[in-house]
Amino acid sequence: AQSVAQPEDQVNVAEGNPLTVKCTYSVSGNPYLFWYVQYPNRGLQFLLKYITGDNLVKGSYGFEAEFNKSQTSFHLKKPSALVSDSALYFCAVRDGAGRRALTFGSGTRLQVQP
Amino acid sequence: EPEVTQTPSHQVTQMGQEVILRCVPISNHLYFYWYRQILGQKVEFLVSFYNNEISEKSEIFDDQFSVERPDGSNFTLKIRSTKLEDSAMYFCASRPVGESGELFFGEGSRLTVL
Repeated sequence: AQSVAQPEDQVNVAEGNPLTVKCTYSVSGNPYLFWYVQYPNRGLQFLLKYITGDNLVKGSYGFEAEFNKSQTSFHLKKPSALVSDSALYFCAVRDGAGRRALTFGSGTRLQVQP
Repeated sequence: EPEVTQTPSHQVTQMGQEVILRCVPISNHLYFYWYRQILGQKVEFLVSFYNNEISEKSEIFDDQFSVERPDGSNFTLKIRSTKLEDSAMYFCASRPVGESGELFFGEGSRLTVL
């Protein structure tokens, strides 16, 4: 089985401050990890992914995420938050060994205050 | 930039009626998916489709649901007899060949069952 946990329903941060959105995962094989963002009444937009290689991956809109195998985590980060980053963020995982579909976490609402 | 398109954007139906949600995946993609999201909450996997057959389905995808690729472009989700709890946003997604690819999502079809 594969699963994702996003322990925070909401994260509040002031504009210009760094942000972190937490994600931990569980898979039986090597993980393929993804972050998606959803704006109100919109579909999910791909931000970044980790498949293999460098543990720090960079994605769209200045976001990055760090893969930590020992802690089974894939936290999303950004050095300086913008008000326009306010949205719903989903972490997702897939077992790289199989052909399973993506399993999504419950989502974290990011609120960036001006 | 190619995108996944979904129709209708919103459908209101009476309980017990049949509903068909339509999707046009990105043209060179080979894997197709349906997910649903209830009230902006968790994104739940329904079914994946590859090589003209279902490759994986969740426990949500019971006998009331079916998928079809009737021609070379459309991918449909049918709900035979809708229930109140089927009210949700339904997202179609597609993925190119290759195990590490991310999913590309449509904007969703909102289904309201009265």
